[in-house]
Amino acid sequence: NAGVTQTPKFQVLKTGQSMTLQCAQDMNHEYMSWYRQDPGMGLRLIHYSVGAGITDQGEVPNGYNVSRSTTEDFPLRLLSAAPSQTSVYFCASSYQGRTEAFFGQGTRLTVV
Amino acid sequence: DQQVKQNSPSLSVQEGRISILNCDYTNSMFDYFLWYKKYPAEGPTFLISISSIKDKNEDGRFTVFLNKSAKHLSLHIVPSQPGDSAVYFCAYSGNTPLVFGKGTRLSVIA
Repeated sequence: NAGVTQTPKFQVLKTGQSMTLQCAQDMNHEYMSWYRQDPGMGLRLIHYSVGAGITDQGEVPNGYNVSRSTTEDFPLRLLSAAPSQTSVYFCASSYQGRTEAFFGQGTRLTVV
Repeated sequence: DQQVKQNSPSLSVQEGRISILNCDYTNSMFDYFLWYKKYPAEGPTFLISISSIKDKNEDGRFTVFLNKSAKHLSLHIVPSQPGDSAVYFCAYSGNTPLVFGKGTRLSVIA
């Protein structure tokens, strides 16, 4: 029972590089979301999706793109990495609103 | 503007005593709250939830209290154990994804 799987676990990027953080869930959840965690800032919502083909912006969407072509996958794309995007990224899924969300183990990203 | 506020960044408690973590919210329409626990290098894990139709929910050593008139909720851990040392987040859940507070780091001292 895998739950929410994020890859990679660690990544170092140079400023200006692009990359995709992968997230997959096997619980047939409709809701998926991406958060970033920074010291003293808690967990801030980047983008989310309430079903395949539907995405929306969260609190801190700038510099990130998402798409949701299947129920299982919700990749997060960094278009041109900046040092301000150094953070720990978490993907989460839930059946719907007003239910608990399940989180992946996180991706620690460093942009130099 | 923070919708869910945890005003204490850290808390230290002796093993066996009660830990009380607090959370305030701004919108009286919020009606479902959750607490998450996070260990270093791991993702947050769900701990306990409460809906606004209740003022208390218990699960073993963990109890969440909701005071709607004060827009305040609290998490009580009794008795506290060293394994409870972690960061605790309160969150609101509506028709959009969870909105989190900034977290409180709990240290339980043996």
